[in-house]
Amino acid sequence: LAKTTQPISMDSYEGQEVNITCSHNNIATNDYITWYQQFPSQGPRFIIQGYKTKVTNEVASLFIPADRKSSTLSLPRVSLSDTAVYYCLVGDFNTGGFKTIFGAGTRLFVKA
Amino acid sequence: EAGVAQSPRYKIIEKRQSVAFWCNPISGHATLYWYQQILGQGPKLLIQFQNNGVVDDSQLPKDRFSAERLKGVDSTLKIQPAKLEDSAVYLCASSQEGLATGELFFGEGSRLTVL
Repeated sequence: LAKTTQPISMDSYEGQEVNITCSHNNIATNDYITWYQQFPSQGPRFIIQGYKTKVTNEVASLFIPADRKSSTLSLPRVSLSDTAVYYCLVGDFNTGGFKTIFGAGTRLFVKA
Repeated sequence: EAGVAQSPRYKIIEKRQSVAFWCNPISGHATLYWYQQILGQGPKLLIQFQNNGVVDDSQLPKDRFSAERLKGVDSTLKIQPAKLEDSAVYLCASSQEGLATGELFFGEGSRLTVL
């Protein structure tokens, strides 16, 4: 399974766009890139997943360059409630479920 | 739709005692995962079930941890005897085979404190 590297922490202010980059140099052909968000005392929650190029949903965008060795989660106009830990995961899903490893994550602090 | 249910939410025991955690996944989800999350760290996979069968238990400390998923639905994770380093949140997650994203749905976790 590919290992991921992401910043330990980031600070931002309300209303700003936040970009969190994750490095996954050993990503395999069948691997997808998934991001999860975790608030204190809660389990992680799925944010977005992609394989290549750009993926956008109602809460975030995911940018993946052609070599797929990194990815960037973009959170538009963050609010205080976006303060959380964000995990970048790389893995494949096939019969037997999604096989992946959580790293330490990026702690995002959004200030007023 | 009901989410992943876990109990108990909190448990305090002394070292060398035993404890059991229960998980009820989302209905229809074939895959069930147990993770251990130590304070300040990311979740660590302990065991993964596909229906009744174990897919991956390579990181489960089998001398003290055990897990079962009878009938391919509910699951129980047991620790016996507990050590101080087992203090953590135990997260259960489930996923639906064939789903386009392979998304994992997590419960709120069971927080264990070993004194």
